[in-house]
Amino acid sequence: GAGVSQSPSNKVTEKGKDVELRCDPISGHTALYWYRQSLGQGLEFLIYFQGNSAPDKSGLPSDRFSAERTGGSVSTLTIQRTQQEDSAVYLCASSSQGARTGNTIYFGEGSWLTVV
Amino acid sequence: KQEVTQIPAALSVPEGENLVLNCSFTDSAIYNLQWFRQDPGKGLTSLLLIQSSQREQTSGRLNASLDKSSGRSTLYIAASQPGDSATYLCAVNGGNNRLAFGKGNQVVVIP
Repeated sequence: GAGVSQSPSNKVTEKGKDVELRCDPISGHTALYWYRQSLGQGLEFLIYFQGNSAPDKSGLPSDRFSAERTGGSVSTLTIQRTQQEDSAVYLCASSSQGARTGNTIYFGEGSWLTVV
Repeated sequence: KQEVTQIPAALSVPEGENLVLNCSFTDSAIYNLQWFRQDPGKGLTSLLLIQSSQREQTSGRLNASLDKSSGRSTLYIAASQPGDSATYLCAVNGGNNRLAFGKGNQVVVIP
């Protein structure tokens, strides 16, 4: 596609429910990133994919968070047993290669998650 | 751990004035630095990317400089317009597959 596409754009869920957030990167981009932006906070790195593998999962805040990528394209971020502190904007980004090549990183519009 | 600071956190300027936004980072071993714009309720839009070997990049009214040794970058926006009102984010790429972000400069341009 023309840009990074994320869905849903907005999600309200009850505490304790599971949610899935989807990211469709720019066509041909091998690197994919998930970040989280909480109100009044900076962007927090969650996970990085190169192709289908995730060499860096160190940013995932707890074992309730997981992510996968299939076919070197679409990625899903899953949050199990959601808590109110999970409320944030979840931003996906992609680039044509990994971070060490210095390519521009493009972000999607984000998925706005509210846990009530 | 890379720490990125953006000063000022918020500023208001009258239309037509030049904007100067500052970003500082603690670890000078970087691959590049990227400036983004974020409008309320929206994602991030890439403005300029400066490689570590470069000293500045220009795009239209925007100019970004990089002084890697002193850990600083400055974004200049010439002749500001109300449409420039947004939050501007500085992100440093240290080559470890993650960007380190500042908390942003929130800009309001007053017509």
